[in-house]
Amino acid sequence: GQQVMQIPQYQHVQEGEDFTTYCNSSTTLSNIQWYKQRPGGHPVFLIQLVKSGEVKKQKRLTFQFGEAKKNSSLHITATQTTDVGTYFCAGRGTGGSYIPTFGRGTSLIVHP
Amino acid sequence: ETGVTQSPTHLIKTRGQQVTLRCSSQSGHNTVSWYQQALGQGPQFIFQYYREEENGRGNFPPRFSGLQFPNYSSELNVNALELDDSALYLCASSMGGLAGSNEQFFGPGTRLTVL
Repeated sequence: GQQVMQIPQYQHVQEGEDFTTYCNSSTTLSNIQWYKQRPGGHPVFLIQLVKSGEVKKQKRLTFQFGEAKKNSSLHITATQTTDVGTYFCAGRGTGGSYIPTFGRGTSLIVHP
Repeated sequence: ETGVTQSPTHLIKTRGQQVTLRCSSQSGHNTVSWYQQALGQGPQFIFQYYREEENGRGNFPPRFSGLQFPNYSSELNVNALELDDSALYLCASSMGGLAGSNEQFFGPGTRLTVL
Protein backbone atom coordinates (compact mmCIF):
# COMPACT_ATOMS: atom_id res chain seq x y z
CA GLY A 1 0.00 0.00 0.00
CA GLN A 2 0.87 3.64 -0.23
CA GLN A 3 3.36 4.90 2.33
CA VAL A 4 4.21 8.49 3.15
CA MET A 5 7.44 9.14 4.99
CA GLN A 6 8.14 12.45 6.64
CA ILE A 7 11.46 13.73 7.99
CA PRO A 8 12.75 14.86 10.34
CA GLN A 9 10.59 13.63 13.22
CA TYR A 10 11.65 16.55 15.43
CA GLN A 11 13.39 19.85 14.76
CA HIS A 12 14.65 22.31 17.34
CA VAL A 13 15.43 25.80 16.08
CA GLN A 14 16.25 29.17 17.56
CA GLU A 15 13.68 31.81 16.85
CA GLY A 16 14.57 33.46 13.57
CA GLU A 17 16.15 30.37 12.02
CA ASP A 18 14.62 28.62 9.02
CA PHE A 19 12.88 25.22 9.11
CA THR A 20 12.14 22.61 6.46
CA THR A 21 10.18 19.35 6.59
CA TYR A 22 10.18 16.79 3.78
CA CYS A 23 7.55 14.34 2.68
CA ASN A 24 8.16 11.34 0.39
CA SER A 25 5.60 8.95 -1.02
CA SER A 26 6.19 5.42 -2.24
CA THR A 27 3.74 6.03 -5.09
CA THR A 28 2.71 8.91 -7.35
CA LEU A 29 0.21 11.23 -5.71
CA SER A 30 -2.81 12.99 -7.17
CA ASN A 31 -2.35 15.80 -4.67
CA ILE A 32 -0.81 16.54 -1.32
CA GLN A 33 -2.14 18.55 1.59
CA TRP A 34 -0.30 20.08 4.52
CA TYR A 35 -1.71 20.47 8.03
CA LYS A 36 -0.50 22.01 11.28
CA GLN A 37 -1.43 20.59 14.68
CA ARG A 38 -0.69 22.61 17.80
CA PRO A 39 0.06 20.66 21.00
CA GLY A 40 -3.24 19.36 22.36
CA GLY A 41 -5.09 20.55 19.28
CA HIS A 42 -6.42 19.17 16.04
CA PRO A 43 -4.99 19.33 12.50
CA VAL A 44 -5.63 22.60 10.68
CA PHE A 45 -5.47 22.71 6.90
CA LEU A 46 -2.68 24.86 5.47
CA ILE A 47 -2.62 24.20 1.73
CA GLN A 48 -3.20 21.74 -1.11
CA LEU A 49 -0.79 21.17 -4.01
CA VAL A 50 -1.99 19.47 -7.18
CA LYS A 51 0.32 20.21 -10.10
CA SER A 52 3.73 18.75 -10.79
CA GLY A 53 6.46 21.19 -9.71
CA GLU A 54 3.94 23.49 -8.02
CA VAL A 55 5.22 26.08 -5.56
CA LYS A 56 2.91 28.05 -3.28
CA LYS A 57 3.68 30.67 -0.66
CA GLN A 58 1.80 31.81 2.41
CA LYS A 59 3.69 34.67 4.05
CA ARG A 60 6.79 32.96 5.56
CA LEU A 61 5.71 29.45 4.46
CA THR A 62 6.74 27.97 1.10
CA PHE A 63 5.27 24.70 -0.13
CA GLN A 64 6.65 22.66 -3.04
CA PHE A 65 5.38 19.60 -4.91
CA GLY A 66 7.99 17.57 -6.75
CA GLU A 67 8.10 17.12 -10.51
CA ALA A 68 7.32 13.41 -10.16
CA LYS A 69 4.50 14.15 -7.68
CA LYS A 70 6.07 11.80 -5.14
CA ASN A 71 7.62 14.31 -2.78
CA SER A 72 6.86 17.62 -1.17
CA SER A 73 8.38 20.09 1.24
CA LEU A 74 7.36 22.86 3.60
CA HIS A 75 9.86 25.61 4.36
CA ILE A 76 9.36 28.26 7.03
CA THR A 77 11.55 31.34 6.87
CA ALA A 78 12.56 33.11 10.09
CA THR A 79 10.59 30.96 12.51
CA GLN A 80 8.55 32.49 15.31
CA THR A 81 7.32 30.95 18.55
CA THR A 82 3.84 30.87 17.05
CA ASP A 83 5.10 28.34 14.48
CA VAL A 84 5.43 25.68 17.20
CA GLY A 85 3.47 22.52 16.41
CA THR A 86 3.52 19.36 14.35
CA TYR A 87 3.36 19.66 10.57
CA PHE A 88 1.78 16.81 8.64
CA CYS A 89 1.66 16.07 4.96
CA ALA A 90 -1.22 13.99 3.62
CA GLY A 91 -0.97 12.44 0.17
CA ARG A 92 -3.80 11.10 -1.93
CA GLY A 93 -3.18 8.29 -4.41
CA THR A 94 -4.10 8.07 -8.06
CA GLY A 95 -6.09 5.61 -10.15
CA GLY A 96 -9.28 5.92 -8.15
CA SER A 97 -7.67 5.33 -4.77
CA TYR A 98 -8.11 8.70 -3.16
CA ILE A 99 -7.70 7.56 0.43
CA PRO A 100 -5.46 10.09 2.17
CA THR A 101 -2.27 8.85 3.84
CA PHE A 102 -0.74 11.07 6.47
CA GLY A 103 2.94 11.21 7.26
CA ARG A 104 4.09 10.79 10.83
CA GLY A 105 4.64 14.53 11.12
CA THR A 106 7.53 16.80 12.01
CA SER A 107 7.37 18.47 15.40
CA LEU A 108 8.84 21.96 15.36
CA ILE A 109 10.16 23.38 18.61
CA VAL A 110 11.16 27.05 18.52
CA HIS A 111 13.42 28.38 21.26
CA PRO A 112 13.08 32.10 21.99
CA GLU B 1 -13.15 27.44 15.05
CA THR B 2 -14.05 25.07 12.24
CA GLY B 3 -17.71 24.54 13.14
CA VAL B 4 -17.06 20.79 13.44
CA THR B 5 -18.02 19.41 16.84
CA GLN B 6 -17.35 16.03 18.41
CA SER B 7 -18.68 14.32 21.50
CA PRO B 8 -17.71 13.23 23.99
CA THR B 9 -14.38 14.99 24.58
CA HIS B 10 -12.94 12.18 26.62
CA LEU B 11 -14.03 8.60 27.23
CA ILE B 12 -12.72 5.72 29.30
CA LYS B 13 -13.80 2.18 28.48
CA THR B 14 -12.66 -1.30 29.35
CA ARG B 15 -11.51 -3.98 26.95
CA GLY B 16 -14.38 -5.77 25.20
CA GLN B 17 -16.85 -2.90 25.55
CA GLN B 18 -18.43 -0.97 22.72
CA VAL B 19 -18.25 2.78 22.08
CA THR B 20 -20.07 5.33 19.93
CA LEU B 21 -18.47 8.64 19.00
CA ARG B 22 -20.35 11.49 17.38
CA CYS B 23 -19.49 14.24 14.93
CA SER B 24 -21.43 17.20 13.58
CA SER B 25 -20.10 18.42 10.26
CA GLN B 26 -19.65 22.02 9.21
CA SER B 27 -22.74 23.64 7.72
CA GLY B 28 -22.97 22.92 3.99
CA HIS B 29 -20.56 19.98 4.06
CA ASN B 30 -21.79 16.55 2.89
CA THR B 31 -18.72 14.45 3.70
CA VAL B 32 -17.36 13.21 7.01
CA SER B 33 -14.11 11.29 7.37
CA TRP B 34 -12.97 9.53 10.53
CA TYR B 35 -9.35 9.20 11.61
CA GLN B 36 -7.51 7.47 14.43
CA GLN B 37 -4.45 9.28 15.77
CA ALA B 38 -2.23 7.37 18.15
CA LEU B 39 0.21 9.31 20.30
CA GLY B 40 3.13 10.62 18.27
CA GLN B 41 1.64 9.46 14.96
CA GLY B 42 -0.18 11.03 12.06
CA PRO B 43 -3.92 10.53 11.64
CA GLN B 44 -4.86 7.19 10.06
CA PHE B 45 -7.89 7.12 7.77
CA ILE B 46 -10.63 4.82 9.08
CA PHE B 47 -13.43 5.52 6.58
CA GLN B 48 -15.43 8.26 4.97
CA TYR B 49 -19.15 8.87 4.61
CA TYR B 50 -20.49 10.81 1.65
CA ARG B 51 -24.21 11.45 1.27
CA GLU B 52 -25.00 8.82 3.91
CA GLU B 53 -22.95 6.00 2.35
CA GLU B 54 -19.51 4.64 3.15
CA ASN B 55 -17.25 6.02 0.46
CA GLY B 56 -13.80 4.59 1.16
CA ARG B 57 -12.24 2.61 3.95
CA GLY B 58 -8.75 2.36 5.37
CA ASN B 59 -7.05 -0.68 6.88
CA PHE B 60 -9.36 -1.11 9.88
CA PRO B 61 -11.29 -4.26 10.89
CA PRO B 62 -15.08 -4.58 10.55
CA ARG B 63 -15.57 -3.90 14.26
CA PHE B 64 -15.06 -0.25 13.25
CA SER B 65 -18.34 0.85 11.67
CA GLY B 66 -20.17 4.08 11.10
CA LEU B 67 -23.25 5.93 10.03
CA GLN B 68 -24.07 9.23 8.42
CA PHE B 69 -27.44 10.86 8.97
CA PRO B 70 -29.54 13.00 6.59
CA ASN B 71 -28.18 16.16 8.24
CA TYR B 72 -24.66 14.81 7.45
CA SER B 73 -23.67 14.32 11.07
CA SER B 74 -21.95 11.01 11.69
CA GLU B 75 -21.22 8.30 14.23
CA LEU B 76 -18.24 6.02 14.64
CA ASN B 77 -18.90 2.74 16.44
CA VAL B 78 -16.19 0.46 17.72
CA ASN B 79 -17.09 -2.98 19.05
CA ALA B 80 -15.02 -5.36 21.17
CA LEU B 81 -12.59 -2.64 22.23
CA GLU B 82 -8.92 -3.54 22.46
CA LEU B 83 -6.15 -1.78 24.36
CA ASP B 84 -4.61 -0.62 21.05
CA ASP B 85 -7.81 1.28 20.26
CA SER B 86 -6.72 3.93 22.77
CA ALA B 87 -6.18 7.03 20.66
CA LEU B 88 -7.52 10.42 19.61
CA TYR B 89 -10.41 9.96 17.19
CA LEU B 90 -10.83 12.83 14.78
CA CYS B 91 -13.60 13.55 12.37
CA ALA B 92 -13.09 15.83 9.39
CA SER B 93 -15.77 17.62 7.42
CA SER B 94 -15.46 18.42 3.72
CA MET B 95 -17.33 18.56 0.42
CA GLY B 96 -17.52 16.17 -2.48
CA GLY B 97 -16.38 12.82 -1.13
CA LEU B 98 -12.93 11.35 -1.74
CA ALA B 99 -12.79 12.47 -5.35
CA GLY B 100 -13.50 16.00 -4.20
CA SER B 101 -10.09 16.01 -2.49
CA ASN B 102 -10.86 19.29 -0.89
CA GLU B 103 -9.80 20.98 2.32
CA GLN B 104 -10.80 19.05 5.41
CA PHE B 105 -11.96 20.78 8.57
CA PHE B 106 -11.12 18.73 11.63
CA GLY B 107 -13.09 18.63 14.86
CA PRO B 108 -11.41 18.80 18.29
CA GLY B 109 -11.39 15.00 18.62
CA THR B 110 -12.47 12.43 21.19
CA ARG B 111 -9.75 11.00 23.42
CA LEU B 112 -10.56 7.31 23.99
CA THR B 113 -8.75 5.34 26.66
CA VAL B 114 -9.24 1.58 26.82
CA LEU B 115 -8.25 -0.08 30.09
